[in-house]
Amino acid sequence: DTEVTQTPKHLVMGMTNKKSLKCEQHMGHRAMYWYKQKAKKPPELMFVYSYEKLSINESVPSRFSPECPNSSLLNLHLHALQPEDSALYLCASSPKEGDGNTIYFGEGSWLTVV
Amino acid sequence: KNEVEQSPQNLTAQEGEFITINCSYSVGISALHWLQQHPGGGIVSLFMLSSGKKKHGRLIATINIQEKHSSLHITASHPRDSAVYICAVWRWGGSQGNLIFGKGTKLSVKP
Repeated sequence: DTEVTQTPKHLVMGMTNKKSLKCEQHMGHRAMYWYKQKAKKPPELMFVYSYEKLSINESVPSRFSPECPNSSLLNLHLHALQPEDSALYLCASSPKEGDGNTIYFGEGSWLTVV
Repeated sequence: KNEVEQSPQNLTAQEGEFITINCSYSVGISALHWLQQHPGGGIVSLFMLSSGKKKHGRLIATINIQEKHSSLHITASHPRDSAVYICAVWRWGGSQGNLIFGKGTKLSVKP
């Protein structure tokens, strides 16, 4: 199993809503990542979890709250988002954090904030 | 100047043509990925290279560490190859866990 599974595929939410994006992998990877991608731009790193601990937070606004309940799951909790937060959110995993590792991406969650 | 540069930005080819996408980088790296992204959004890692050449089906990737350059070749291109191809590098000594991405090459293969 070399899959990273993301749900939901599409999400539309109002600026006052609270929602969550979910990511799951069963490859035994100990590093998991959240990326944000706007149209026609490369992905931008948001968070990295290494061995279930937050390793990197790339100055992401607090309306995005990551959570890693166990080594297979990664959540991104969303609250009070702005329309400019509309984007594709990609989850990825690799055997360990850092350089030289093969990285696997999920299909992404398309988020629209209205 | 971006640390990872790709060329061309856009590429249109006829089915069956041989395609080359280039990637140059300005930082020390431990490995380089070639990624494929279809309009649906998901990203697939085609190759990870740290030296030499790799081949998978109609795809060939090469890297020259001394020249800091990599190429992705597609032989006998097909409309299903239409996608955005992204070069990404793991940088030595940079933020742990961070890939540096190129801006991507949008490939359209016409039947």
